[in-house]
Amino acid sequence: KQEVTQIPAALSVPEGENLVLNCSFTDSAIYNLQWFRQDPGKGLTSLLLIQSSQREQTSGRLNASLDKSSGRSTLYIAASQPGDSATYLCAVRTGGSNYKLTFGKGTLLTVNP
Amino acid sequence: SAVISQKPSRDICQRGTSLTIQCQVDSQVTMMFWYRQQPGQSLTLIATANQGSEATYESGFVIDKFPISRPNLTFSTLTVSNMSPEDSSIYLCSVEDGRGGYTFGSGTRLTVV
Repeated sequence: KQEVTQIPAALSVPEGENLVLNCSFTDSAIYNLQWFRQDPGKGLTSLLLIQSSQREQTSGRLNASLDKSSGRSTLYIAASQPGDSATYLCAVRTGGSNYKLTFGKGTLLTVNP
Repeated sequence: SAVISQKPSRDICQRGTSLTIQCQVDSQVTMMFWYRQQPGQSLTLIATANQGSEATYESGFVIDKFPISRPNLTFSTLTVSNMSPEDSSIYLCSVEDGRGGYTFGSGTRLTVV
């Protein structure tokens, strides 16, 4: 059974700092991995999707890496801003025909002005 | 990728009553997914809704409690029946985005009193 863990559970940083969020998964036979952002009480916004054959994806100030063999992904946020404050969720899809996502519990990020 | 309109965005309901949540997608999709996110927890898949067939429920979820309709390829509803305070959660619908990842609705924040 796939399990996804996100560390740290919460992170508070000053504005402008670069930061890294971590995600680990137990079954390396994944189809892809997706990072989401969730604002309080709201739905999920997709940030980056990494296919199993890829090592990283970039979008603006965000960069996500994937090391399938070690069961790890990181989300790097450069030059953090107060608007980046949210919960960041990592989700793993295991197998192409398996549509189910396994989510981590998320990292609550606070960026202080 | 698809855009999902979900409503209501939030509601406060009396115990013992039912609430129906609607999701409208701007394109035709084969499968729609319903998730629950309990306070402080990650997302858990409730069921998968295919047009023209009965929904498939995950372990721990039953049709009597969470009946689902899927009348066409762009619309689905989830009903939370005979509610208790334990049903207070964020409910989200989701569809595949065409690249193997997923798009989510804006969520319904339900409080049962």
